[in-house]
Parts: sequence; structure tokens; C-alpha cells
Amino acid sequence: DIVMTQSPDSLAVSLGERATINCKSSQSVLYSSNNKSYLAWFHQKPGQPPKLLIYWASIRESGVPDRFSGSGSGTDFTLTISSLQAEDVAVYYCQQYHSTPYTFGQGTKLEIK
Amino acid sequence: EVHLVESGGDLVQPGGSLRLSCAASGFTFSSHAMTWVRQAPGKGLEWVSAISGSAGSTFYADSVKGRFTISRDNSKNTLYLQMNSLRVEDTALYYCARETGSSSGWFIDSWGQGTLVTVSS
Repeated sequence: DIVMTQSPDSLAVSLGERATINCKSSQSVLYSSNNKSYLAWFHQKPGQPPKLLIYWASIRESGVPDRFSGSGSGTDFTLTISSLQAEDVAVYYCQQYHSTPYTFGQGTKLEIK
Repeated sequence: EVHLVESGGDLVQPGGSLRLSCAASGFTFSSHAMTWVRQAPGKGLEWVSAISGSAGSTFYADSVKGRFTISRDNSKNTLYLQMNSLRVEDTALYYCARETGSSSGWFIDSWGQGTLVTVSS
């Protein structure tokens, strides 16, 4: 199984500042045949189901604010929130969909400093 | 608008069985793979099982393989998860999720609100 490891486990950032969350996979989630990394990012607010933010490592889901961006390839990925807003407080998860089981990272709790 | 509504969660004793359902609407159900993801109280997300649009392919996490069975009825736009030999560690909120994609690959893009399964004596 591919193990997804996020860092940090928790993060406190001031409003308007940049937040960066990292995700590392135990093996590459890149398919060389199409040069796509099979990596998605979700966030989950308290009492709500997760919501898709980013897929194919860097494609923003429709309706997601452009302050959210994803980068990386292969085994190392980053989710960046360029200017933190109060509504971004949530737990953030990465997930690989390269091979089953489609494993999630352990989650990163993002709070306001 | 995509709408996924799970049901069937309950309190059940260890060793018992339960069947979860997920009623889908707002999209062409048979064109999408579907997934179950669970979340134990206060914990992270755990992928449980997935099924292709045609139901020709199914996939399971090792933790549930041989005990859980995923299925779908495309005529009823409904996804199921038959859960047998339940264990205390199966206690979780079970989410139904839609996958979207193409021949390149499929990823989750929509989630239901979840149904709670509690396994306890």
C-alpha cells in the first residue's frame, strides 16, 4: 500500500498570511504514460463531509478560490493557501488515487494564529 | 446538483451485520465509479471500498476484505455496502462518495453527509 504522510500535523497561521501543507507518498503516484500525478487535496470543516479542492496534484476544482494552489509531482506535494481567510480553518487531507487502496494522509489541522 | 444520501447506520453488536445504502441523484449514476470512505470518531479518513460504474470491478481495503461487499443497483441509482462480521474498530461515520474522471483515472469529487455505524456490546 502507498503510505501518505502529511506535515505538519497542525499549523497556526495569521489571517492574510500564507499557509503551506506538505504531503509525501511512499512511492511515486506519477504515471509516466500521461505525466499525471494521481493526488488530490480535500478539506473538512467541523461537522461537514470533506470537500475536494485540488485534483491531478494542481488542478483547482470548480468554485474553489484561487488562493488555493497545489504543486508537486511524483512523491512530494504541497498545498498552499496564499492568503489565509477565517473560513479556511479546517483539517486538510491529501489522497492518492494511483493504486488501490486509495490512501489518505493523516490530516493537517489548520487554525488561525 | 449532485446529491448523495446515506442510510442504514445503526448500533450493532460485534459479529453482527449491517447494510448501508446511498441514494444518488443529480447525475448519471451508472457513468460514475462510487466509493465508501469511513471516519472513526475524532480520526482521519480511511478509504474502504470502490466499485466501477458497471459494477464489473470492485476494490477493498485490507481491513474489510472478506467481510464487506460493495454493490450497486444502477436502475435504482443506489450504492450499497454489506458489512458482515462487524468489529468494534469498524465504528465510524461512513461516507458515500462519487468518483469522476476518465480512462486516465478516477478521483472523488462529491461526498454525502455520512451515516454512523457503531459496533458495541
